[in-house]
Amino acid sequence: DIQMTQSPSSLSASVGDRVTITCRASQSISTYLNWYQQKPGKAPKRLIYGASSLQSGVPSRFSGSGSGTDFALTISSLQPEDFATYYCQQGYITPLTFGGGTKVEIK
Amino acid sequence: EVQLAESGGGVIQPGGSLRLSCAASGFTFRNYVLNWVRQAPGKGLEWLAYVGISSRSIYYADSVKGRFTISRDDAENSLYLQLNSLRAEDTAVYYCARGVGLGDFDYWGQGTLVTVSS
Repeated sequence: DIQMTQSPSSLSASVGDRVTITCRASQSISTYLNWYQQKPGKAPKRLIYGASSLQSGVPSRFSGSGSGTDFALTISSLQPEDFATYYCQQGYITPLTFGGGTKVEIK
Repeated sequence: EVQLAESGGGVIQPGGSLRLSCAASGFTFRNYVLNWVRQAPGKGLEWLAYVGISSRSIYYADSVKGRFTISRDDAENSLYLQLNSLRAEDTAVYYCARGVGLGDFDYWGQGTLVTVSS
């Protein structure tokens, strides 16, 4: 199985900060990498697909990069509504696997 | 508007069975693949099962293979998950999720909670 390792597992940041979350796959997954945002008590919402394509309706302050085994999600200027948990997920091969999540909290 | 609505969760004793449903609307159901994903309380996301277009392909996570069965009814725009031989560790919120292809979850339902407890 492909293991997805996210870092950090949590971070504290202020509104307006630039935030980067990284995700590493245990083997190459090309660009079959998606990012999701989840708020407490809510379903996950896809932000980025194919490593760098922005989901329709998602603000442009979110961006994704990477290929192979190393990926990143960047929020260029953190907004109050961005405080949530973020997950990466590989869609290269079954079993489809998620990273452990990164909780973004208010500093 | 794409909508997915799960139902069928509840409290069930260990060893019991449950059938979850996911009603879809707002898109042409038969043209999309579907998945079940779960989240144990306070934990991360775990993919469980995939069904392709026309049910041509079906895949399961090892943790549920042989116990859970995914199925779809394109005439009813519905997705199902039959859960058998339930264990305490199956306690979770169960989500259905739509995709364009394997490995893709573009829309999710709101989830249904399954609690396995005596």
